[in-house]
Amino acid sequence: DGGITQSPKYLFRKEGQNVTLSCEQNLNHDAMYWYRQDPGQGLRLIYYSQIVNDFQKGDIAEGYSVSREKKESFPLTVTSAQKNPTAFYLCASSKPGTGLNSPLHFGNGTRLTVT
Amino acid sequence: DAKTTQPNSMESNEEEPVHLPCNHSTISGTDYIHWYRQLPSQGPEYVIHGLTSNVNNRMASLAIAEDRKSSTLILHRATLRDAAVYYCILMPYSGTYKYIFGTGTRLKVLA
Repeated sequence: DGGITQSPKYLFRKEGQNVTLSCEQNLNHDAMYWYRQDPGQGLRLIYYSQIVNDFQKGDIAEGYSVSREKKESFPLTVTSAQKNPTAFYLCASSKPGTGLNSPLHFGNGTRLTVT
Repeated sequence: DAKTTQPNSMESNEEEPVHLPCNHSTISGTDYIHWYRQLPSQGPEYVIHGLTSNVNNRMASLAIAEDRKSSTLILHRATLRDAAVYYCILMPYSGTYKYIFGTGTRLKVLA
């Protein structure tokens, strides 16, 4: 079955360390996204990528970095510059070739805890 | 950026219909209305979307006001598995990938 795989499900890191969250999709989707969710809050866009080798900052990109070297993969690095990294991170993809209204497909998230 | 407004929470009895409202008064002509739902500790799941006409699928129905400034997600018979946070968002046909998710409506289903 096609879908989005995020790994690991839970991640623990010490403050000051960079950490990379994995996101892989086999849906042949062009666009991929990273969202952050804090308890009781909605989703906030960190970065998005429309095509391979291109990505754009979302609303809260500071302290994060991404790469898009392959269509299937969109890893997110949470750097030590991110002041409050503890959160639930969600990766999504969509196939906007038929218009940007095509539905988003989400992974099941990575819960990052930094102490 | 177009935003939506939803009630924070709603309750429903099991087996009864549920109507989840969403206001989007700043919607533009090319914005599609999408609904997603999120179960605890999972990623959101697509439910339904529409532009102008009412839409039905196996999960739900979407009723869109004539002026498109509001919409309602209808779950015809709520089950305990429908307890989730429901998000209504606007997705334009073109121009931006910056979709705005609010805090959604937390639906509680009572047995």
